[in-house]
Amino acid sequence: GIQVEQSPPDLILQEGANSTLRCNFSDSVNNLQWFHQNPWGQLINLFYIPSGTKQNGRLSATTVATERYSLLYISSSQTTDSGVYFCAVEFKGNQFYFGTGTSLTVIP
Amino acid sequence: NAGVTQTPKFRILKIGQSMTLQCAQDMNHNYMYWYRQDPGMGLKLIYYSVGAGITDKGEVPNGYNVSRSTTEDFPLRLELAAPSQTSVYFCASSYSVAGVSSGNTIYFGEGSWLTVV
Repeated sequence: GIQVEQSPPDLILQEGANSTLRCNFSDSVNNLQWFHQNPWGQLINLFYIPSGTKQNGRLSATTVATERYSLLYISSSQTTDSGVYFCAVEFKGNQFYFGTGTSLTVIP
Repeated sequence: NAGVTQTPKFRILKIGQSMTLQCAQDMNHNYMYWYRQDPGMGLKLIYYSVGAGITDKGEVPNGYNVSRSTTEDFPLRLELAAPSQTSVYFCASSYSVAGVSSGNTIYFGEGSWLTVV
């Protein structure tokens, strides 16, 4: 099956700092999404981004499909950004495969 | 608009018991999914369904069964519970046309915490 790898696995930031999270995938995909899992376990969709760049407030994402990677940028981080960030790729007809996640802790 | 609703939220099972996790969505989505998330890990796809009456296996289907008699409901059945099935279970749904990805966002339920002792 498809391999989805995320880096770094863990990240600790001072409030206000910027960060870049990476998602590599091993095969061509139809769909790529970024999710944030908050400390209560809730999964929130951040971006649908199979290619190109999108921005939503302090967050932006870029996917280079030909090179099989996606990046999630978090600027001016806040404590509420803490949690785990997952990328998920759609492979073979609406089967979404998740990466292992990046655990982000933002300290005040 | 409730979105994706899962019940129960917490459950403790004894080894060998059976139970059903319920999932319902009110967004008229055709695709529904069950994932499990072990501590510190990503989500693994157990089963998915592309519409009423159609289900298929994901990455980790062993020990589980599903059915999809209506568009709204997608229950997950655990038969003969084992400690390895201790996990958090997430139900999700999305909308797709003719199997072609149309930018469909996946919406998740809030999770069901299951412990098998």
